[in-house]
Amino acid sequence: EDQVTQSPEALRLQEGESSSLNCSYTVSGLRGLFWYRQDPGKGPEFLFTLYSAGEEKEKERLKATLTKKESFLHITAPKPEDSATYLCAIYNQGGKLIFGQGTELSVKP
Amino acid sequence: DTEVTQTPKHLVMGMTNKKSLKCEQHMGHRAMYWYKQKAKKPPELMFVYSYEKLSINESVPSRFSPECPNSSLLNLHLHALQPEDSALYLCASSQGQTPYNEQFFGPGTRLTVL
Repeated sequence: EDQVTQSPEALRLQEGESSSLNCSYTVSGLRGLFWYRQDPGKGPEFLFTLYSAGEEKEKERLKATLTKKESFLHITAPKPEDSATYLCAIYNQGGKLIFGQGTELSVKP
Repeated sequence: DTEVTQTPKHLVMGMTNKKSLKCEQHMGHRAMYWYKQKAKKPPELMFVYSYEKLSINESVPSRFSPECPNSSLLNLHLHALQPEDSALYLCASSQGQTPYNEQFFGPGTRLTVL
């Protein structure tokens, strides 16, 4: 069964304390892995798409990487405004986008 | 422009009411989606429209009725809802359902059923 598992469920960081979020997946034929950021009560905001192992994408303090089994979202020197829930998703064989449970990130000043 | 708009932002309705949620995109996307999201949970797919035709219905109860009047608009008609239907309803769009593209989400409609 295609599935996505994210860890940790919650992460508390001090401002400037770099860390990584993990997304492990099992799927028959990866058709893209997607990272989203979601603020409370709002829709998910698209961040990155990764298609093949070894691929990396960067945006400001965020860097996403992909291996054959997992993806990492690295956050360098985070700021309080980076606080949000980060969601990872893949398409299953039926063409349905399935999400992990998310990692709730809190960055304290 | 990667904007998907949704109206209304908030909706409170009784179990006997009929209401509609609206979604609009002007990115030329040909696939549009409805998701339901409960607190502290990821979005759950409800419906997919591809080229204005319903392509996926995730066994959603008939009290939810989707409609795609044209390639830019998506509606979700609500009737005889239950309190457990209270959630954030999200609309999304993508260039096409295949190949598998990133989906862009709207801000959502917060629905409360009394």
